[in-house]
Amino acid sequence: AQKITQTQPGMFVQEKEAVTLDCTYDTSDPSYGLFWYKQPSSGEMIFLIYQGSYDQQNATEGRYSLNFQKARKSANLVISASQLGDSAMYFCAMREGQRATDSWGKLQFGAGTQVVVTP
Amino acid sequence: EAQVTQNPRYLITVTGKKLTVTCSQNMNHEYMSWYRQDPGLGLRQIYYSMNVEVTDKGDVPEGYKVSRKEKRNFPLILESPSPNQTSLYFCASSLEGQGPYNEQFFGPGTRLTVL
Repeated sequence: AQKITQTQPGMFVQEKEAVTLDCTYDTSDPSYGLFWYKQPSSGEMIFLIYQGSYDQQNATEGRYSLNFQKARKSANLVISASQLGDSAMYFCAMREGQRATDSWGKLQFGAGTQVVVTP
Repeated sequence: EAQVTQNPRYLITVTGKKLTVTCSQNMNHEYMSWYRQDPGLGLRQIYYSMNVEVTDKGDVPEGYKVSRKEKRNFPLILESPSPNQTSLYFCASSLEGQGPYNEQFFGPGTRLTVL
């Protein structure tokens, strides 16, 4: 079963505008971490932001913030003031913490959202 | 500089010709993993290793082998590559496997084409 769902295959956003990338997840593990990665056209995976399941506050890193709604199992990434350099594929991923699960230690990825920032 | 390195970065080969993609990390990480990335599927785990001499299958292990004889190295071996193994491969490492809080550091990727 798909554990991470990113419903937006692609989107256009104008420079300087904010953009929200959707991510929903599925787990029964009370301990988990949620990650967002950026993959530019050059191919490398760049870590952006992390949210732990027990974190009380939403994570923020510069222009990136994570809108964590635990009850809805949602972990949307918000990029404020988009820049041309933000054009990339964005992946949401989850890592479960309970050793009993067969997905222990594994990063489970969504299919990604392609973002194109236009001038 | 703390990093994960992979070699080669690009490889074109033919069906059946054994190949190895090397992965090395200099962060003394215990946990290492291989993923493949295919369009529309995100990244899927092939194999992982919790520590030296400890490896286990991920979601898509068929056609691949790994070994972990030293902590820093985790090579991916394709004994008899087939065209359906054409993909972008990433090696990743994290401090430890336990707990969800450990960021995984990714190598630069290896783009493999099997003709």
